[in-house]
Amino acid sequence: GESVGLHLPTLSVQEGDNSIINCAYSNSASDYFIWYKQESGKGPQFIIDIRSNMDKRQGQRVTVLLNKTVKHLSLQIAATQPGDSAVYFCAENHTGRRALTFGSGTRLQVQP
Amino acid sequence: GAGVSQTPSNKVTEKGKYVELRCDPISGHTALYWYRQSLGQGPEFLIYFQGTGAADDSGLPNDRFFAVRPEGSVSTLKIQRTERGDSAVYLCASSPHQAGVNEQFFGPGTRLTVL
Repeated sequence: GESVGLHLPTLSVQEGDNSIINCAYSNSASDYFIWYKQESGKGPQFIIDIRSNMDKRQGQRVTVLLNKTVKHLSLQIAATQPGDSAVYFCAENHTGRRALTFGSGTRLQVQP
Repeated sequence: GAGVSQTPSNKVTEKGKYVELRCDPISGHTALYWYRQSLGQGPEFLIYFQGTGAADDSGLPNDRFFAVRPEGSVSTLKIQRTERGDSAVYLCASSPHQAGVNEQFFGPGTRLTVL
């Protein structure tokens, strides 16, 4: 069946370093991908999205890379800050389906 | 503008009781979603409304779960005969209904604890 998963459950980085969070998906029909940030006690917050007709998209300090050949998605955070500490989820859906399928999350810990 | 709001923020109930969880979407958003998030897991889809109608309820786990959105705005998730396994954070999200746009904006969630 469909699944969206993550390689690492916890990532610890030093403040100022770049962070890379990875995600694998299995549904070849997936054509829309989103990264969410979730802080403790809060709902997921949209970070950046990408469609399957793109392989890279940049936002403010964040970049999402999509490799459809190997069904892999990554989130890069530049100059990681303590405020970036949170759990990050990738999510996907495909044309005709509005519901998002989420992975289980990666906890990012930023060490000062 | 105001984001998605959910009430109550916390709900503690006893096994077998009935609960209602409320969601106020962002004004003007026609699409509304309910998800359930267990500890340490990603959100799991429950049901999606487009306007007043449930367009996709494939995520509802069983017939104890039901949701309504009678006027196309506020939605209520209803759980009958609650079980301990229903304990989770129930998240609501909304999005504008635009072709090719599916950015979903989430509320803070309702933490349901069934004793």
